[in-house]
Amino acid sequence: DTEVTQTPKHLVMGMTNKKSLKCEQHMGHRAMYWYKQKAKKPPELMFVYSYEKLSINESVPSRFSPECPNSSLLNLHLHALQPEDSALYLCASSWTGANTEAFFGQGTRLTVV
Amino acid sequence: SQELEQSPQSLIVQEGKNLTINCTSSKTLYGLYWYKQKYGEGLIFLMMLQKGGEEKSHEKITAKLDEKKQQSSLHITASQPSHAGIYLCGADYNQGGKLIFGQGTELSVKP
Repeated sequence: DTEVTQTPKHLVMGMTNKKSLKCEQHMGHRAMYWYKQKAKKPPELMFVYSYEKLSINESVPSRFSPECPNSSLLNLHLHALQPEDSALYLCASSWTGANTEAFFGQGTRLTVV
Repeated sequence: SQELEQSPQSLIVQEGKNLTINCTSSKTLYGLYWYKQKYGEGLIFLMMLQKGGEEKSHEKITAKLDEKKQQSSLHITASQPSHAGIYLCGADYNQGGKLIFGQGTELSVKP
């Protein structure tokens, strides 16, 4: 099973809303990632969790707040987003944080209105 | 990213033809990953290369990493419409699992 499950698939939210993106994997992976992908651009790393601890934050604005409740789950809490935050948000997981292939979920298409 | 250059940006081939996509790094790679993406969907892992001179194949797709570990190529033999999509190379520069992606190559295969 190489499945990473993301919910919801689509999300439309207003600039004053609070919402959360969810990601789940049951492969026993100990590293989990959030990437952001704008249209016709490659994915860009936002956060890395390694053994449930935040190990990399790529200077992401505080309106994005990651959370790793346990080794199988990764959340991304969203608050007071801007229209330019509209993008495809991809979750990924790997065995460890280096030198191992990462498996990606199908993404959440986020639109901020 | 200027660290990783991917070429060509787009490619249209006739079904049955061979094709090659290149990925060049400005510095030594700890690992090089190839992914395929359909528009608006997640990335599908294809192959991982770590050793200089390494070559891996899966079905009709072969990927190589040069001896200096700064360039990789992805070769598709006898292309099919199912090969269409965006191919992304991802570089591991030993930064705690962070992947830096090339700009992608959009492949179209005409029946």
